[in-house]
Amino acid sequence: AQTVTQSQPEMSVQEAETVTLSCTYDTSESDYYLFWYKQPPSRQMILVIRQEAYKQQNATENRFSVNFQKAAKSFSLKISDSQLGDAAMYFCAYRQNTGNQFYFGTGTSLTVIP
Amino acid sequence: KAGVTQTPRYLIKTRGQQVTLSCSPISGHRSVSWYQQTPGQGLQFLFEYFSETQRNKGNFPGRFSGRQFSNSRSEMNVSTLELGDSALYLCASSLVGSGNTIYFGEGSWLTVV
Repeated sequence: AQTVTQSQPEMSVQEAETVTLSCTYDTSESDYYLFWYKQPPSRQMILVIRQEAYKQQNATENRFSVNFQKAAKSFSLKISDSQLGDAAMYFCAYRQNTGNQFYFGTGTSLTVIP
Repeated sequence: KAGVTQTPRYLIKTRGQQVTLSCSPISGHRSVSWYQQTPGQGLQFLFEYFSETQRNKGNFPGRFSGRQFSNSRSEMNVSTLELGDSALYLCASSLVGSGNTIYFGEGSWLTVV
């Protein structure tokens, strides 16, 4: 089974600074998708960004970008110009090309310090 | 466009009882999947339904079951509740096709006492 590992249970960042959250995964597949979801205190899971494994270019969504290293099976999330509203639990997720089952990491709790 | 709607949002049940949770997907989404979230186990996949058929199932006992209706709405049922079933149950929907993103509802908080 695929596994997703987030080795940082907690992270903190000063407002307006940049923070990087780490994620590694294990798979024997060559075609798959990777995601970062954000879960604020309301517990609503919100999609932050997604990356297709066949694309070499790293995905970017406004202040959020990823560093996708396919050979290393690494998928980190960079948040630039951190805002108080970014405080949440962040989950890295893996999805195979077929089927619709997502595998989630254990999450990283991000605190933004004013 | 309305998001994924889950009902009820909060419920308390007694050990041994059964519970049914409901999920209405985003309009046009025909795939519905369910996840259990607990502090100890994190987010775990329960099952996925598409066109009223279960396509995939996670590693949960048979007490956990689900179904999907012709309008894509889904229900999940947990019978003979145990204390360890206390969790946030998240429903997610998506379009059908390779690589589609899943969109989550706000979840149903189940407490078993």
